[in-house]
Amino acid sequence: GEDVEQSLFLSVREGDSSVINCTYTDSSSTYLYWYKQEPGAGLQLLTYIFSNMDMKQDQRLTVLLNKKDKHLSLRIADTQTGDSAIYFCAESKTDIPTFGRGTSLIVHP
Amino acid sequence: GAVVSQHPSRVICKSGTSVKIECRSLDFQATTMFWYRQFPKQSLMLMATSNEGSKATYEQGVEKDKFLINHASLTLSTLTVTSAHPEDSSFYICSVSQGDHSGYTFGSGTRLTVV
Repeated sequence: GEDVEQSLFLSVREGDSSVINCTYTDSSSTYLYWYKQEPGAGLQLLTYIFSNMDMKQDQRLTVLLNKKDKHLSLRIADTQTGDSAIYFCAESKTDIPTFGRGTSLIVHP
Repeated sequence: GAVVSQHPSRVICKSGTSVKIECRSLDFQATTMFWYRQFPKQSLMLMATSNEGSKATYEQGVEKDKFLINHASLTLSTLTVTSAHPEDSSFYICSVSQGDHSGYTFGSGTRLTVV
């Protein structure tokens, strides 16, 4: 299997919460990241979490890390149409991260 | 984080020609830059690590003679796709790390179409 796995699609209604999930295989990962990619653009770092943390919150974004299960999630509260994008999970223990395939978030009215 | 400028954003070229993509770190002296390729519905694939003043380090399966990387200064790395073929059509993205694990800053990407 792949080192970092994500589901490919998520569809939510505007105003609802979105939860994007990610699993990884390397238990020695030290940093885990969430990136956002809008159509035709590069990746934008949304947030990151160090492996000794369980949770990190930044405005509408909440990251949860279950290190035992190697599971990372990104929750977006009050999802807006501008949140429609591809969200990449990534992990690293050295200087170079490994990315998942990305989850395409579709927000509909 | 660092500010990274990449251009062109889109380029269409004919088969057999070469295309140069530039990646500039505008406010950070980057000794290392990274070049990724993104296939549709797939993740980013690291192609190579660009090292200022020395040869790039290529990932397995990436042809170094086809994808020429030059990192002549601390603020500029270039990727040249030589003798382009339609299968080279893809989205190429560069990134810069400030080395403090706060993440990577990515360029806006270049959509290459080879016809």
